[in-house]
Amino acid sequence: EVQLVESGGGLVQPGRSLRLSCTASGFIFGDYTMGWFRQAPGKGLEWVGFIRSKLSAGTTQYAASVRGRFTVSRDDSKSVVYLQMNSLKTEDTAVYYCTKMSGSYADWGQGTLVTVSS
Amino acid sequence: QSALTQPASVSGSPGQSITISCTGTSSDVGGDNYVAWYQLHPGKAPKLMIYDVSNRPSGVSIRFSGSKSGNTASLTISGLQTEDEADYYCTSYTSISTWVFGGGTRLTVL
Repeated sequence: EVQLVESGGGLVQPGRSLRLSCTASGFIFGDYTMGWFRQAPGKGLEWVGFIRSKLSAGTTQYAASVRGRFTVSRDDSKSVVYLQMNSLKTEDTAVYYCTKMSGSYADWGQGTLVTVSS
Repeated sequence: QSALTQPASVSGSPGQSITISCTGTSSDVGGDNYVAWYQLHPGKAPKLMIYDVSNRPSGVSIRFSGSKSGNTASLTISGLQTEDEADYYCTSYTSISTWVFGGGTRLTVL
């Protein structure tokens, strides 16, 4: 059974940084693209970014709203994917979800809340 | 403004069928068959209902089906049940390797 457990969320001031982690189990982690999505309070779903498997060169892609501020990375030896968030803005407040992706099929974690506020 | 266009709301009575549309462009919905639909209940993680346009994940009711014609994808729910009342979002992979979402559709079961 695929399990994805996010951690690292919390309250952070605008302009500061935060790193989210997602620990995966139940599948061969290194074989899959891993992604991050988010949902702001009262808003819809938004894709944040993803990192491909090493077999696909481990390349990354990001939404325009976070490009240059957020970085997705992975440690296949630990089955962990990270989301490094820098220069946080109040509009980054959201529940952040980690996903295992295969085509448009995705398994999701339960999410971790990030609140950006002074 | 969302990249994909969905109706803000749809409604139906128990037992009826409804269809939610999701209109994009040839660069997303009309391109590869990487279109998915999610069901959202408040406070819960999104639930994948349809992937790759028309495939149902294990455990999803056969009352849910997906299709695509040109740049428009559709989610049909037959035999509406009260527990189907939720928000539904479509998503598509794009030609520039990004994911885009619709603005969401609130389904009300009358």
